[in-house]
Amino acid sequence: DQQVKQNSPSLSVQEGRISILNCDYTNSMFDYFLWYKKYPAEGPTFLISISSIKDKNEDGRFTVFLNKSAKHLSLHIVPSQPGDSAVYFCAAVIQGAQKLVFGQGTRLTINP
Amino acid sequence: DAGVIQSPRHEVTEMGQEVTLRCKPISGHDYLFWYRQTMMRGLELLIYFNNNVPIDDSGMPEDRFSAKMPNASFSTLKIQPSEPRDSAVYFCASSWTENFNYGYTFGSGTRLTVV
Repeated sequence: DQQVKQNSPSLSVQEGRISILNCDYTNSMFDYFLWYKKYPAEGPTFLISISSIKDKNEDGRFTVFLNKSAKHLSLHIVPSQPGDSAVYFCAAVIQGAQKLVFGQGTRLTINP
Repeated sequence: DAGVIQSPRHEVTEMGQEVTLRCKPISGHDYLFWYRQTMMRGLELLIYFNNNVPIDDSGMPEDRFSAKMPNASFSTLKIQPSEPRDSAVYFCASSWTENFNYGYTFGSGTRLTVV
């Protein structure tokens, strides 16, 4: 039972364009959402988060959008850079708990 | 701080053997998590500890898996006996209670191959 789903295993984007990574969740109790980035041979690193009381959060080139009614969130990277090539994991949690639930990950490749 | 330290980085073992993965969390962190990464299921939480006490082990797949945290600076994940389907990357992560953004710090992982 996959409560957090990333349906696109991979995504290829040209440098300078926008990258959009998508994530869906099924548990309506989730109220905090995160994106992690993972390079090969390294552990995931925290990238950006959003609370369910918001529908958008920005940090530089990274913006996360949350659509609670659709149980959907997305990560926008603009402009995309070669260093953004990595695997991106979406995660969700019920605030107050510590049990992060992750998706399967999406491999983003930025082409020069 | 050196971050979360895991050992070994790679482990190749034969089916039926015992495997022990090790983790040193960041000093001062009171939560420790063990995750497993596979292509099909992504990152799955196996077990987590708070102040060295196991809180939730519902993700541990079978009795063959066990985890301990004898003190605040060390944890082990043991698989006995190991099977080929246990092949995956195992991550340890740590965090602290006051970290309200849930930005866990992960180690570099142990890639386990069971042949």
